[in-house]
Amino acid sequence: DTEVTQTPKHLVMGMTNKKSLKCEQHMGHRAMYWYKQKAKKPPELMFVYSYEKLSINESVPSRFSPECPNSSLLNLHLHALQPEDSALYLCASSLAGNQLAKNIQYFGAGTRLSVL
Amino acid sequence: GDSVTQMEGPVTLSEEAFLTINCTYTATGYPSLFWYVQYPGEGLQLLLKATKADDKGSNKGFEATYRKETTSFHLEKGSVQVSDSAVYFCALESASKIIFGSGTRLSIRP
Repeated sequence: DTEVTQTPKHLVMGMTNKKSLKCEQHMGHRAMYWYKQKAKKPPELMFVYSYEKLSINESVPSRFSPECPNSSLLNLHLHALQPEDSALYLCASSLAGNQLAKNIQYFGAGTRLSVL
Repeated sequence: GDSVTQMEGPVTLSEEAFLTINCTYTATGYPSLFWYVQYPGEGLQLLLKATKADDKGSNKGFEATYRKETTSFHLEKGSVQVSDSAVYFCALESASKIIFGSGTRLSIRP
């Protein structure tokens, strides 16, 4: 099973709403990632968790709050977003280790978020 | 800093044509190199990878060779199919991160 499952597939929210994106994998991977992808652009790294600890935060605004409750789950809590935050949010996972980026990342299909 | 440059698209070819998508990189040291593919409405999938100079990655008829002397990792396929229509991203590993190129959209006509 090489599947990373993201829910919901689509999300529409207002600027005052609080919502969460969810990501799940059962491959035994101990590194998990959040990326943001705008239309016709490559993915941009937001956060990396390694062994359930936040290891990389790419200076993401605090209205995005990641959480890794266990080794299989990764959440992204959203609050007071702006219309420019509308994008495809991708989750990925990989084996962890000293040379993290050399490991293959497996991506989910993403959550398409629209902020009104 | 490290970066990846790939040819701008869109690239439109007829079925069974030969494909080349150019990719060059700038990096300190000898990073691992990747090609990822994104089909419409989906996330990214690793297509192939190479971890050292002169390595050739291959998968599904696609190939790319890690060329240290030209800092390149061009993607090739001898005969494309309609099902190959997608966006292709060249990428390298850098300091625990993946650096992606801007992506090349490929459309194959029947």
